[in-house]
Amino acid sequence: DQQVKQNSPSLSVQEGRISILNCDYTNSMFDYFLWYKKYPAEGPTFLISISSIKDKNEDGRFTVFLNKSAKHLSLHIVPSQPGDSAVYFCAASAKGNEKLTFGTGTRLTIIP
Amino acid sequence: NAGVTQTPKFRILKIGQSMTLQCTQDMNHNYMYWYRQDPGMGLKLIYYSVGAGITDKGEVPNGYNVSRSTTEDFPLRLELAAPSQTSVYFCASSSYRDRVDYEQYFGPGTRLTVT
Repeated sequence: DQQVKQNSPSLSVQEGRISILNCDYTNSMFDYFLWYKKYPAEGPTFLISISSIKDKNEDGRFTVFLNKSAKHLSLHIVPSQPGDSAVYFCAASAKGNEKLTFGTGTRLTIIP
Repeated sequence: NAGVTQTPKFRILKIGQSMTLQCTQDMNHNYMYWYRQDPGMGLKLIYYSVGAGITDKGEVPNGYNVSRSTTEDFPLRLELAAPSQTSVYFCASSSYRDRVDYEQYFGPGTRLTVT
């Protein structure tokens, strides 16, 4: 039972264009969402998060959008840079729960 | 400030052997976690701890054991290694401050192969 789904295993985007990574969830108790970035042979690193009381959070080139009615969130990267090539994981947590549930990841490749 | 450190980086085990994966954090975090990541899959929680002396099972605990005698250390023990335990193992920690700080900090991982 995959409660957090990333349906696109991979995505290729031209350098300078916008990258959009998508994530869907099924558990209506989830109220906090995070995106992690992972390079090969390294651990995941935190990128950006959003609480369910918001529908958008921005940090530099990274913006996360949350659509609670659709149980969908997306990560926008603009402009995309070669260093953004990595695997991106979406994660979610329910209020009062110290555990995260992770999606399966999307491999983003930025084409120079 | 080293963050979360894991040893070893790589290990090859024979079926039935035992080993301990070490994890240490220097951020004074109460919460620590062990995950495994299989190819094409997300991170699955094996065990977690909310403080020294307290541990609990995650999603995939079978074949593993943990202990938490100090705030800093959270070792993961494999008693009888099986090929199904071939995976990359990540340790993480978080402060979970005031139940609003969900960010987890990850170590670099241990790549384990059981043959």
